[in-house]
Amino acid sequence: SQQGEEDPQALSIQEGENATMNCSYKTSINNLQWYRQNSGRGLVHLILIRSNEREKHSGRLRVTLDTSKKSSSLLITASRAADTASYFCATAPRGGTSYGKLTFGQGTILTVHP
Amino acid sequence: DGGITQSPKYLFRKEGQNVTLSCEQNLNHDAMYWYRQDPGQGLRLIYYSQIVNDFQKGDIAEGYSVSREKKESFPLTVTSAQKNPTAFYLCACRARGETYNEQFFGPGTRLTVL
Repeated sequence: SQQGEEDPQALSIQEGENATMNCSYKTSINNLQWYRQNSGRGLVHLILIRSNEREKHSGRLRVTLDTSKKSSSLLITASRAADTASYFCATAPRGGTSYGKLTFGQGTILTVHP
Repeated sequence: DGGITQSPKYLFRKEGQNVTLSCEQNLNHDAMYWYRQDPGQGLRLIYYSQIVNDFQKGDIAEGYSVSREKKESFPLTVTSAQKNPTAFYLCACRARGETYNEQFFGPGTRLTVL
């Protein structure tokens, strides 16, 4: 089963608006990462938040993590048409022998209209 | 330029044939990964390797095989035993060490079974 579940599955907004995507997971994590994928391309790492962090910023990106609820959110502020892509959360498990493995969610498709 | 490459970009296979997908990286990363992505879905881990001459099965290894004879190369063979091989295949690599959790992705290979 999928560790990370994003919602919404699809999000359509106008340029300049903010976009918020959510991710829920099931097991204890070392960190949670967000990736972006343009259509038909590879994934690009956006931001990583560790289990002992609650909020992190990078440019127009803001990520929050609530380990008690096993959930994270990605906020993209002042969106641009170029932000149109699929966004995936991925969790890295805590401890064990699976060091380095990531489990990906099904993704949110974001469309930003000019 | 440092990076990770995959070839070919598109691959067509007849039923019953084995095919090998190439993945090469010059980032000097120890760990490498193969994922499968189906339309509208997230990534599922096929195989991963943390060091040369060692690799582990991921969540969906049946019908696939890999080798890791060189640090920079991690080819994936899709065998005739894989019942539904049509998908987008992504290779990734990652530096060893706690600080380095980000995975770097190649551009992908789209495999179609005719």
